[in-house]
Amino acid sequence: DGGITQSPKYLFRKEGQNVTLSCEQNLNHDAMYWYRQDPGQGLRLIYYSQIVNDFQKGDIAEGYSVSREKKESFPLTVTSAQKNPTAFYLCASSINHVNTEAFFGQGTRLTVV
Amino acid sequence: SQQGEEDPQALSIQEGENATMNCSYKTSINNLQWYRQNSGRGLVHLILIRSNEREKHSGRLRVTLDTSKKSSSLLITASRAADTASYFCATDPPYNAGGTSYGKLTFGQGTILTVHP
Repeated sequence: DGGITQSPKYLFRKEGQNVTLSCEQNLNHDAMYWYRQDPGQGLRLIYYSQIVNDFQKGDIAEGYSVSREKKESFPLTVTSAQKNPTAFYLCASSINHVNTEAFFGQGTRLTVV
Repeated sequence: SQQGEEDPQALSIQEGENATMNCSYKTSINNLQWYRQNSGRGLVHLILIRSNEREKHSGRLRVTLDTSKKSSSLLITASRAADTASYFCATDPPYNAGGTSYGKLTFGQGTILTVHP
């Protein structure tokens, strides 16, 4: 099946630890995105990438890092510098920066314990 | 910063009624899109309207776009209990906008729609 896969679905992290969220797509899409969603809120853009080996900061990039070494993969690392990391994280992809109809993964719920 | 803002924040209606949600945005756009999210799940794309279009239909969905007012509306006709979800608008800048903002897809706060059987 073609699609976009996020793992794990639930993740628990101790304060002070870095954690990496996985996002893989087999849609052959050039563009990929990471969003954060807090309860009852909209989506806020963390990072986005239009092409392999290139990515841009979104509106709330502080405390996060990404890499785009392969077209199909766009992992997000939540670092200890992120002061309030507990949230629902959504990854998406689109054909490219012109055709931006986005396909979403099912999300990763991160909880700091 | 949020590019789009939806109105109302929450909407409660009876099955069979129409539901209208509005979205306002701040800067020039390439497209405006509407998405649906069921609780705790990823978003699903509903419909896209380009900046040079004024109205678009898809099944029970009707979207309008007024670029002079920087606003869009989503109408769901003959609503069903299964339409209960959150609805978000999303915009991306013109791809000749320059800089690194092209393809930056940003979302609004969403409207929570509840359809009672």
